[in-house]
Amino acid sequence: DTAVSQTPKYLVTQMGNDKSIKCEQNLGHDTMYWYKQDSKKFLKIMFSYNNKELIINETVPNRFSPKSPDKAHLNLHINSLELGDSAVYFCASSQRQGGSNEQFFGPGTRLTVL
Amino acid sequence: LAKTTQPISMDSYEGQEVNITCSHNNIATNDYITWYQQFPSQGPRFIIQGYKTKVTNEVASLFIPADRKSSTLSLPRVSLSDTAVYYCLVGDRKAAGNKLTFGGGTRVLVKP
Repeated sequence: DTAVSQTPKYLVTQMGNDKSIKCEQNLGHDTMYWYKQDSKKFLKIMFSYNNKELIINETVPNRFSPKSPDKAHLNLHINSLELGDSAVYFCASSQRQGGSNEQFFGPGTRLTVL
Repeated sequence: LAKTTQPISMDSYEGQEVNITCSHNNIATNDYITWYQQFPSQGPRFIIQGYKTKVTNEVASLFIPADRKSSTLSLPRVSLSDTAVYYCLVGDRKAAGNKLTFGGGTRVLVKP
């Protein structure tokens, strides 16, 4: 069983479209994250939720809206996609919030905006 | 906010020991140091974590000097499959928020 899963794995779309990426974890963790990894491999945190509550909201355009329907799911919706949104998006989870907790990452979603 | 700095890349040969140093001059009292490994087309994977002195597990060792302003990940006797990007992460033990910082990563290439 996959611990942290994301769908879709690949997403190719046109500028201006709206798209969503889904994430699910079956580890029973309290905390979930979204990261963006650009072409230079820099991994930057975007959002974090703890027990469905938003706890981290980095400087991300408000076109990006996370939603956590329950503790096991954290979805990312992106409106009006731009070329610069092209990247690999990783979902992750940890048992609790805080830097001493191991994060488990999903396989990533490669988003390409044309 | 503790920022981390790592070498961009390192080359090694099979069977050698690889040491990667991460600088985190502004590390705070409550910060832990964690290292992750990432293979191409995969998400990062936890390797090791420490607070001070030395930590060892079945995969690697982590050396942290007394001032904690740097840390060194040591990979003993690397193999080709250790070719990956290694990230140093400094994070507050309790805080949920803005102290989760990944470094730029070190690309390690292990040659035959």
